[in-house]
Amino acid sequence: DQQVKQNSPSLSVQEGRISILNCDYTNSMFDYFLWYKKYPAEGPTFLISISSIKDKNEDGRFTVFLNKSAKHLSLHIVPSQPGDSAVYFCAASPYTGKLIFGQGTTLQVKP
Amino acid sequence: DGGITQSPKYLFRKEGQNVTLSCEQNLNHDAMYWYRQDPGQGLRLIYYSQIVNDFQKGDIAEGYSVSREKKESFPLTVTSAQKNPTAFYLCASMARKTGSEKLFFGSGTQLSVL
Repeated sequence: DQQVKQNSPSLSVQEGRISILNCDYTNSMFDYFLWYKKYPAEGPTFLISISSIKDKNEDGRFTVFLNKSAKHLSLHIVPSQPGDSAVYFCAASPYTGKLIFGQGTTLQVKP
Repeated sequence: DGGITQSPKYLFRKEGQNVTLSCEQNLNHDAMYWYRQDPGQGLRLIYYSQIVNDFQKGDIAEGYSVSREKKESFPLTVTSAQKNPTAFYLCASMARKTGSEKLFFGSGTQLSVL
């Protein structure tokens, strides 16, 4: 039973445009959400997070939006750059000390 | 320079052989984790430990074993009972702080079967 789902395996965007990566979850008890970025043969690196008490969090070019009623979060990257090309994982925390990851979305930013 | 060190980077396993993946952290984190990444399946939790001398099974623990004798170390053994061990293995750690469940990952070990 996939509690965190990223339904788009891949996304291709032109450099300078907006990238929108989506994530859905099923458990209303999740209270903390994170996005990780991963390059091939490397460990994921933390990108941005959001608590369930907020609906938006920004960090430079990256913004995460949380819609609790729809159990949906999204990551916006503006403007997209070729170096953003990577696999992006969303993750949710059901309780302290555990994270559940989605399947990942491969983003390709074309020059 | 704090971080998580995984070794080796690449590992090959023969049929019926047990192999051990090393994970060491100097972040002074209480909790440590092992994930497995397969193409198209994201990161799946194998085992985790929130304190020394204690660990819990994750979602796919069968065929794996761990130990947590020291805070800094959390080795993973892939036993011969694991029939499909080829994957990219990631170790991670987290400080025990509610409301800030941020995992820090090592650079991974690619395990392949000969």
